[in-house]
Amino acid sequence: NAGVTQTPKFQVLKTGQSMTLQCAQDMNHEYMSWYRQDPGMGLRLIHYSVGAGITDQGEVPNGYNVSRSTTEDFPLRLLSAAPSQTSVYFCASSYVRGRLNTEAFFGQGTRLTVV
Amino acid sequence: DAKTTQPTSMDCAEGRAANLPCNHSTISGNEYVYWYRQIHSQGPQYIIHGLKNNETNEMASLIITEDRKSSTLILPHATLRDTAVYYCIVRVVGYNKLIFGAGTRLAVHP
Repeated sequence: NAGVTQTPKFQVLKTGQSMTLQCAQDMNHEYMSWYRQDPGMGLRLIHYSVGAGITDQGEVPNGYNVSRSTTEDFPLRLLSAAPSQTSVYFCASSYVRGRLNTEAFFGQGTRLTVV
Repeated sequence: DAKTTQPTSMDCAEGRAANLPCNHSTISGNEYVYWYRQIHSQGPQYIIHGLKNNETNEMASLIITEDRKSSTLILPHATLRDTAVYYCIVRVVGYNKLIFGAGTRLAVHP
C-alpha cells in the first residue's frame, strides 16, 4: 500500500500565482484533511472532508479551497498565493466513527515557498 | 476537544526509558488520549491511544491516571531514532479532527 501520497514534494510560487497541492490515499478512508505547519510550530487544520462531496473548514481556511469528488483524492487549491502561505503542508486520512482503528495516516508533506 | 499541556522539551539517555507527561484536566468522559510523533520534518506518525486503561503496543506504553486528568507516554528503551516532537491530543473517537498543540521535543542522546 502506498498510504497517503502528496505531490509535489517541493514548490516555489510567485505571489499571486495559483496552484493545486495533490493528495491521494489508497486505504478507502472516508476522512481526509489538510494541515499547514510553520517553522517551529505545531500543525494547524486548514480544511477537512468526511466523505466524497462533503468538506468543511478547519482553524485556518482563508486563502485555500478544497473539493472532494472521489474517496481517494482531496486536492488543496491556492487561488492567489501570498508569502504568508509559505509553509509545509500535510495531508492526512483516517476512517470515521464506528470503527476501532481511527488513527490518522499522514503524507510526507509538500514544502511550499511563496516569493 | 479538551486542551492539553506538555513540557516544551525533554532529554533522555539512549537505552533508558523516556517518560513524556501530558495534562488534560478538562477531558470529557468520551474523549480518548492519542499520541503522535513527528520525526524531523516528516509527517506525524500515530503511536498509541487509550480511554482509561493502560495500553501497550510495539512502540510504547500509555499510562492514564485514574481521574484521567493526565497521562504519560513511555518509550521503554529510547533510541536515537526516537528523537522527535511528541504530540498528546484528546478527542472523541470517530470525531476525526486532530487539533495539535506545540508538543514536547524529545532529544535522545548517546
